[in-house]
Amino acid sequence: GNSVTQMEGPVTLSEEAFLTINCTYTATGYPSLFWYVQYPGEGLQLLLKATKADDKGSNKGFEATYRKETTSFHLEKGSVQVSDSAVYFCALFTNTGFQKLVFGTGTRLLVSP
Amino acid sequence: DTAVSQTPKYLVTQMGNDKSIKCEQNLGHDTMYWYKQDSKKFLKIMFSYNNKELIINETVPNRFSPKSPDKAHLNLHINSLELGDSAVYFCASSQAQGLAVDQFFGPGTRLTVL
Repeated sequence: GNSVTQMEGPVTLSEEAFLTINCTYTATGYPSLFWYVQYPGEGLQLLLKATKADDKGSNKGFEATYRKETTSFHLEKGSVQVSDSAVYFCALFTNTGFQKLVFGTGTRLLVSP
Repeated sequence: DTAVSQTPKYLVTQMGNDKSIKCEQNLGHDTMYWYKQDSKKFLKIMFSYNNKELIINETVPNRFSPKSPDKAHLNLHINSLELGDSAVYFCASSQAQGLAVDQFFGPGTRLTVL
């Protein structure tokens, strides 16, 4: 079946450090890939997405590249800020079977000043 | 203007009670969803409606009954609440179904069953 695996958190970084949150997926067909962010006490917000192999999604300094050969969609940011502290969810959307978003378990990021 | 809104934000109730959570979207979207997020932050789809028609029901107990009076509203009614129903429930909407469709989430309803 379709699934998403994310690295376990929390990820703890100092401000201005480099961020990588790993995400790999298993899917039939050709899924679209997403990163959602959940700030404390809020709902999920779409951060970025990529719809085909080698596409790079980017937003607010975050980026992720759709790698079909490694079935990965790792999230990166060159210099994190305290305001980036949140839970980050990797997700895929596939058009085989039921069309739905399948989420990873989320990775909590804590950035200290 | 809030794009996807849910009421109530918090709901505390006793086991065995029946409760409802309401969701409204003002984005003109055709598709709405209910998700459940457990205490470990794991997020899973429960239902999906397209133009008031149920299209996904993810093996959710039949104590949970979604109702869509129109395409801007998708309410969730839960009968005979159990301790395991405690979670945060998120409503979401999207323009349609499809690979590149963005889903917009509401702020969530934290349900606590005592």
